[in-house]
Amino acid sequence: DTGVSQDPRHKITKRGQNVTFRCDPISEHNRLYWYRQTLGQGPEFLTYFQNEAQLEKSRLLSDRFSAERPKGSFSTLEIQRTEQGDSAMYLCASSVASGQETQYFGPGTRLLVL
Amino acid sequence: KNQVEQSPQSLIILEGKNCTLQCNYTVSPFSNLRWYKQDTGRGPVSLTIMTFSENTKSNGRYTATLDADTKQSSLHITASQLSDSASYICVVSAEYGNKLVFGAGTILRVKS
Repeated sequence: DTGVSQDPRHKITKRGQNVTFRCDPISEHNRLYWYRQTLGQGPEFLTYFQNEAQLEKSRLLSDRFSAERPKGSFSTLEIQRTEQGDSAMYLCASSVASGQETQYFGPGTRLLVL
Repeated sequence: KNQVEQSPQSLIILEGKNCTLQCNYTVSPFSNLRWYKQDTGRGPVSLTIMTFSENTKSNGRYTATLDADTKQSSLHITASQLSDSASYICVVSAEYGNKLVFGAGTILRVKS
């Protein structure tokens, strides 16, 4: 399968714990995006990378959130000191930078903070 | 503020019937509009993409329309199947095409 993959698919954690999610984009896609989706809502943009450079971060991305893409391939999203409000689906997407680029989404990581 | 509004919130139809989902947007500058299908617990999958100059685009039983003057789009599903049950999300790209503004989606349930 050459699509976008995310790991883990599900994560249950206790409030205050740290969690880290991984995203493997489609190979040769130079852009990688992170989104958060809560029940009944569309995805909300968190941040994106072009190669290894983090080009934009949403105001939704508090200082407890950090994302990296060290070698311009896979990316990690870490949430420190999780809160119940962090419970959501975290989606990753990748694309090739172009004028009408198509973002291909992964299956998401569903986080539940107890 | 860039916004995408969809209606209805949810819809139940019988297998074989047609349906139309609506999308209104206030996104500027407009780059393109997509409809995505999102199955429960999965990531969204792109169905159609339309730029400013395109009025209609088809993908099998899915036909999307775009009226850039009124900033409205619709997704028409013909001869619905049980597998069409999903959330359909209208997504508008702003600026250079990579800033996506998502609607909340319409949840479609097709019953036998």
